[in-house]
Amino acid sequence: TQLLEQSPQFLSIQEGENLTVYCNSSSVFSSLQWYRQEPGEGPVLLVTVVTGGEVKKLKRLTFQFGDARKDSSLHITAAQPGDTGLYLCAGLPLNQAGTALIFGKGTTLSVSS
Amino acid sequence: ETGVTQSPTHLIKTRGQQVTLRCSSQSGHNTVSWYQQALGQGPQFIFQYYREEENGRGNFPPRFSGLQFPNYSSELNVNALELDDSALYLCASSLVPLAERTDTQYFGPGTRLTVL
Repeated sequence: TQLLEQSPQFLSIQEGENLTVYCNSSSVFSSLQWYRQEPGEGPVLLVTVVTGGEVKKLKRLTFQFGDARKDSSLHITAAQPGDTGLYLCAGLPLNQAGTALIFGKGTTLSVSS
Repeated sequence: ETGVTQSPTHLIKTRGQQVTLRCSSQSGHNTVSWYQQALGQGPQFIFQYYREEENGRGNFPPRFSGLQFPNYSSELNVNALELDDSALYLCASSLVPLAERTDTQYFGPGTRLTVL
């Protein structure tokens, strides 16, 4: 059972366009994180959201945690070729001791110039 | 660069063999987690070690085992390799176990294992 569903799975856009990636679950998470992974490298943490309804901005990236802490979104404004990569959401399930991060399958983003 | 290194970068084994993958965590990080990332998938949690003891395990069989050493290095051992074990294996270090509080994990570049 995939606890975290990411959509879309693939996204190919032109430089300058805006996009939103979604991460949804029927489970509640104590926190959600977004990572970016490039080929041949491990995931790199972009942001952690903890509070329901929280919005965080990182330059052109805006992250939101749903009010019920079951979903999150990543919005990129004016995408650039350097944004190309695999975007992963990951969460710590609430009240599940002994577990670590649960990852979604990821969204592969390709931005062409 | 995260300061987490892994070796080897690539490895080819045949079914039934055993493999040991190595990870060197960031200095001072007491926690190391191992993940398996199959092609087109997100990383899946294998297990976590905290101060040299297993501190949580995902849905992986006992032929996946690990060790953590006092010098911030760790190993992932896989016995009786199967074709489905082909994947990118990632280690990640953090200051404290993630189940205790939200903390930053620093991932290594991974080891690409191919089982033929």
